[in-house]
Amino acid sequence: EPEVTQTPSHQVTQMGQEVILRCVPISNHLYFYWYRQILGQKVEFLVSFYNNEISEKSEIFDDQFSVERPDGSNFTLKIRSTKLEDSAMYFCASSEITTLYEQYFGPGTRLTVT
Amino acid sequence: AQTVTQSQPEMSVQEAETVTLSCTYDTSESDYYLFWYKQPPSRQMILVIRQEAYKQQNATENRFSVNFQKAAKSFSLKISDSQLGDAAMYFCAYRTPNNAGNMLTFGGGTRLMVKP
Repeated sequence: EPEVTQTPSHQVTQMGQEVILRCVPISNHLYFYWYRQILGQKVEFLVSFYNNEISEKSEIFDDQFSVERPDGSNFTLKIRSTKLEDSAMYFCASSEITTLYEQYFGPGTRLTVT
Repeated sequence: AQTVTQSQPEMSVQEAETVTLSCTYDTSESDYYLFWYKQPPSRQMILVIRQEAYKQQNATENRFSVNFQKAAKSFSLKISDSQLGDAAMYFCAYRTPNNAGNMLTFGGGTRLMVKP
């Protein structure tokens, strides 16, 4: 069965550094998402992406964050200047279309900012 | 803003028994979708079951069923004949159909332990 994959599984970075988290969505999916989960807290929506542009973003998704689909298979989340509070599990997801179709989640990237 | 609350951080159940996980939500919308996702240890979240708010009939998927009480804004998950493989974090989630970004709002999760 097709799966969403994410790399790396764990990323350690120093405060102020840029990080890029990578995701490969399921190949025929058209909608892509990033969510994050700070340890002990809820899974929170960051952004959704469709047709090469952001469909919706939360207030968490400020100017430090950006998303890109650089080629036909990858979907990336960039954090320009990481802060300690960016430490979290980041989940990528994809879905076929917007209606009832489920979002398929990747295993997550654990980002640790020191 | 919509909120989703799972009041049970942890639950345990004996293998083969039945367990119910609670979820409440707050919304002013009349049409929406509700979901239960399962996240096994170190694995990705997978959809267990979904419910459309306009449907009065409770959704069922094999051993998993929901008790959807729209007026009470309650959406509980019942797992029958619990198996060791059911041990996981369970997340309740909400979405509106008019939400252009398809955003899911999650509850805090319930960790389910299954005792052999």
